[in-house]
This record gives sequence, structure tokens and C-alpha cells, in this order.
Amino acid sequence: NAGVTQTPKFQVLKTGQSMTLQCAQDMNHNSMYWYRQDPGMGLRLIYYSASEGTTDKGEVPNGYNVSRLNKREFSLRLESAAPSQTSVYFCASSGGGEKNIQYFGAGTRLSVL
Amino acid sequence: AQKITQTQPGMFVQEKEAVTLDCTYDTSDPSYGLFWYKQPSSGEMIFLIYQGSYDQQNATEGRYSLNFQKARKSANLVISASQLGDSAMYFCAMRGFSVKLSFGAGTTVTVRA
Repeated sequence: NAGVTQTPKFQVLKTGQSMTLQCAQDMNHNSMYWYRQDPGMGLRLIYYSASEGTTDKGEVPNGYNVSRLNKREFSLRLESAAPSQTSVYFCASSGGGEKNIQYFGAGTRLSVL
Repeated sequence: AQKITQTQPGMFVQEKEAVTLDCTYDTSDPSYGLFWYKQPSSGEMIFLIYQGSYDQQNATEGRYSLNFQKARKSANLVISASQLGDSAMYFCAMRGFSVKLSFGAGTTVTVRA
């Protein structure tokens, strides 16, 4: 079972370059999320999509854009990468219900030089 | 706004002993959910256990149990009979009315043989 798949796993960018992080889930979940993880700070929510066709800002949205392409796919775009965006990025999805447990992808390690 | 506090940056535990990881939270939502995730050195985020704010009993999942004290706003994770494979970072998280999760900074557990 694939679950949540993120691509790429690693990426190095130069300041000012753009890139898109891809995320796809095969669990038929309605909600999808993008987080970043920095040392000592836990995970912080960048953007989320509660359902297909909707997106909302999280705690740290500046410098990012998202697209909920369809129910399966939720992409994160960095238009002009900055060194402060060096981080590990996680995509997650959840299927609703009382627990609404979020299941995570393996992460993308991004370095901006 | 929701806040999760994990005050133990790192802990050591002897193999086969139990360890308790502290988590306190703050929220104004009358209904909420509490989660614990494990992040081994490989980097993935693994869901461990869930506790609903109206659940009458403390949640248990195998060797994991959640010591939920609602009045004290604490949701401590207890790992019994520690194994070397339990060495990882552990995150406490919480969800209120929204689908969004708020994470604590994490606690690193090192199991000694």
C-alpha cells in the first residue's frame, strides 16, 4: 500500500529558483496538508485543503502556494526560494471521522543555497 | 489558538523499562483530539495513538498508553517494556474543531541496552 507519496525525496535549489513539491494519496482521503519541519520546532502547517476545491493558509504560508489538483493530489510551490525555506517538507492526508488521523508521506529534504 | 508543550527535549531509558513522555496542551475548543506520533531516524512520521476529549477511558495501543488528565490538560504517552526500536523522536499533537493539527516540539527517546 503506497499511502501518501511525495516527490522528490531530496532537492537542492539556488536562491530565487522555483520548484514544485508533489504529493499524492491513494486512500481516498478528503483532506490534505503540507508541513515543514525545522530543528527543535516540531511540524508547522503551511497550507491545507479540507476538501477538494478548497485550500487555506496554515501557520507559515508566506513564500508558498498550493494547488489541490484533484482529490488525490496536492502540490506545494516555492516561487522564489530563499535560504529560510531550507527544511524538511511533509505532506499528509486524513479521511475524516471522529479521529481524522493524519497519515504522512516520507518527506522531502530541501536545501536552498 | 491551540498550544502543545513538550518540556522534555531528550530522555534515556533502559531496555525493558517503561518511559513517560510529557505533553500539556491549551485550547478553548470544548471538543478536541490528542495524538502521538513517532519519528525514527529514518524520518517518517508514524501515528501511534489517539485520545478524544470526551473519551471516558485512557487510550491504549499495544505497548503505548495515553495518560489523559483533562482537568490538568495533560496527555502523557507511556511506553511500556521499551525496546531498542523505540529510540526515536516523539511528537504530541492536538486538533480542535478544525482539521488542522498543532504539534509540540518533540521529545527524543534513546533506549539503552
